[in-house]
Amino acid sequence: EPEVTQTPSHQVTQMGQEVILRCVPISNHLYFYWYRQILGQKVEFLVSFYNNEISEKSEIFDDQFSVERPDGSNFTLKIRSTKLEDSAMYFCASSSGVSNQPQHFGDGTRLSIL
Amino acid sequence: AQSVAQPEDQVNVAEGNPLTVKCTYSVSGNPYLFWYVQYPNRGLQFLLKYITGDNLVKGSYGFEAEFNKSQTSFHLKKPSALVSDSALYFCAVREDFGNEKLTFGTGTRLTIIP
Repeated sequence: EPEVTQTPSHQVTQMGQEVILRCVPISNHLYFYWYRQILGQKVEFLVSFYNNEISEKSEIFDDQFSVERPDGSNFTLKIRSTKLEDSAMYFCASSSGVSNQPQHFGDGTRLSIL
Repeated sequence: AQSVAQPEDQVNVAEGNPLTVKCTYSVSGNPYLFWYVQYPNRGLQFLLKYITGDNLVKGSYGFEAEFNKSQTSFHLKKPSALVSDSALYFCAVREDFGNEKLTFGTGTRLTIIP
């Protein structure tokens, strides 16, 4: 069964540095998402992306964050000038765009800011 | 605004007994409801969904869920629990129009006792 893949599985970065998290969505999916899960807390929506532009973003997704689909397969989340509170598990998801179909999630990238 | 409540942080069930994991929701329009399961160091795995139609929906691994519109609930159930069902379970909701943002509950840790 097709899967969403994320790399790296664990990223350790110094505070203030930039980090790029990478995702390969399921190939025929049209909608892409990033969520995050701070340790011990619930999964929170960050941003959705469709037709090469952001379709919705949460209040968490400020100017520090950006997303890009640089080619036909990858979907990236860039975090500039990382802060300690950015430490979390970041999940990528994709969906076909048919309204009754679920979002499929990757295994996540654990981001640790030191 | 949409929200999900999972009132139990932890549910313990003896192997072979029926299990229930509770979820209530709030949305402006009609709900699309989902259950996901998370195993250690893995992403969110889709279990089942309610979009429309029969209030009792069946999903993967013998799980089912009952949609109750009057009580705004979508409880997850299984007639006979297995030790391998032990995991973290998340209920999620989105509205039936507009954005596809999923709003998650805080999760319920299910432990099946041999």
